[in-house]
Amino acid sequence: EAQVTQNPRYLITVTGKKLTVTCSQNMNHEYMSWYRQDPGLGLRQIYYSMNVEVTDKGDVPEGYKVSRKEKRNFPLILESPSPNQTSLYFCASKVPGTGGGGTDTQYFGPGTRLTVL
Amino acid sequence: EDKVVQSPLSLVVHEGDTVTLNCSYEVTNFRSLLWYKQEKKAPTFLFMLTSSGIEKKSGRLSSILDKKELFSILNITATQTGDSAIYLCAVELRWGKLQFGAGTQVVVTP
Repeated sequence: EAQVTQNPRYLITVTGKKLTVTCSQNMNHEYMSWYRQDPGLGLRQIYYSMNVEVTDKGDVPEGYKVSRKEKRNFPLILESPSPNQTSLYFCASKVPGTGGGGTDTQYFGPGTRLTVL
Repeated sequence: EDKVVQSPLSLVVHEGDTVTLNCSYEVTNFRSLLWYKQEKKAPTFLFMLTSSGIEKKSGRLSSILDKKELFSILNITATQTGDSAIYLCAVELRWGKLQFGAGTQVVVTP
C-alpha cells in the first residue's frame, strides 16, 4: 500500500531536549516536505527536498533541521525544542508536478502532534 | 511578502446548499494553485490550477482560476454532510515551495 508514515504520532517533551520526527514513504517519490499546522494559520511549509541531498527552506524553517540521505526518508530534527513549536506536523511526498494542467497529488502522512512544555 | 488569503474563515450551510470559497493571492512568483480538503486527518488533494478560465470539475466540486485578478474559487453544489471539512488553498511559488492560506472551515448541517 502506497503510504507516508510518521513516527511518533504523539509526543510530549520538555524545552531543550533534542528530538527527531521520522518520515518515510514507499512510493519512490523524489519530493518530500514538512509542514506544521496551527489553528487559524493553516499549513506552513518548514522545509522541502527535491531529491536526495537537496533540501530548501520553506516559510518557517527557524528552529528546525532536516536531512535527506536516502530517497525514502526525510526526518525533521528539533535541536532545542521550545513551546512555540507545539503544533501538528505533517510530512508529505509526491512526484514533482509537471504543471500545464497536470495533477499534483501530494500524499500526506497521518500527522505528529507535538507538545513542548 | 507572499500572501494567500482565504475567505470566509468559516461557514455553516444546510444540506443541499451551494458553497463558494475564495482564495486570493499576492505572490512574487506563481507556478500553480492547489486546493485540498482536510477532514479530521491529513489533507487530500482536490485540484491543481495553472491556467486562467479553465474550470476543473470533480463530481459536485469545481474550481476556476483568474490570474488577472489573482484569485480562485472552489464551488461545492448540493452539499452533503460529508463535505464538512477545512478547505485549504495553496500557491506553488516555485517547484516545491508552497504557501498555504489559513483555510475555510465548512460545516454542513442535515
